[in-house]
Amino acid sequence: AQSVTQPDARVTVSEGASLQLRCKYSYSGTPYLFWYVQYPRQGLQLLLKYYSGDPVVQGVNGFEAEFIKSNSSFHLRKASVHWSDSAVYFCAVSRNNNNAPRFGAGTKLSVKP
Amino acid sequence: EAAVTQSPRNKVAVTGGKVTLSCNQTNNHNNMYWYRQDTGHGLRLIHYSYGAGSTEKGDIPDGYKASRPSQENFSLILELATPSQTSVYFCASGPGRGQDTQYFGPGTRLLVL
Repeated sequence: AQSVTQPDARVTVSEGASLQLRCKYSYSGTPYLFWYVQYPRQGLQLLLKYYSGDPVVQGVNGFEAEFIKSNSSFHLRKASVHWSDSAVYFCAVSRNNNNAPRFGAGTKLSVKP
Repeated sequence: EAAVTQSPRNKVAVTGGKVTLSCNQTNNHNNMYWYRQDTGHGLRLIHYSYGAGSTEKGDIPDGYKASRPSQENFSLILELATPSQTSVYFCASGPGRGQDTQYFGPGTRLLVL
């Protein structure tokens, strides 16, 4: 079965700084990869996903992620964070049709003014 | 806009009691999922379903049952609730392909005393 590791439980950055949230997956085949965001007391919303083609995928609100197969990674990046980006970010992996996605433990991002 | 609703939004139960969490989706999605969210564990998959009448065990099914009586509805049942089942429960729906986005409900906060 597939699995996801998000090694950083909490990340704090200053507003305007760049951001990288790390995600590594475990799966021998070609995965489908996702980043979701969870704002306080809400469900998860999709930020971006990768399933084929260009390994750099663009998402909403200036987020992007790069699929690096050799490193089994799918790190999330943003060039300049805003205070409203404070949230919990989840990486998820799926593997084929009708496969239930598995999620990492999440990274709580705090953006300092 | 995909819509997933959950009820109740908050629940206090007693140890040994029966708890039913309900989920409804108006997206006509084949697949539905139940996850629980706990600090340090992220989202863990409890049960999922491929369509009406189908239920499948996820990664942590012990102590939980699921029911999918129709395309729209998917319930999670705790026959004998225990304090270790205190958590936030999320329901999600999706079309079913590996690369498809999941749409999440707002969550149910369950406290078992």
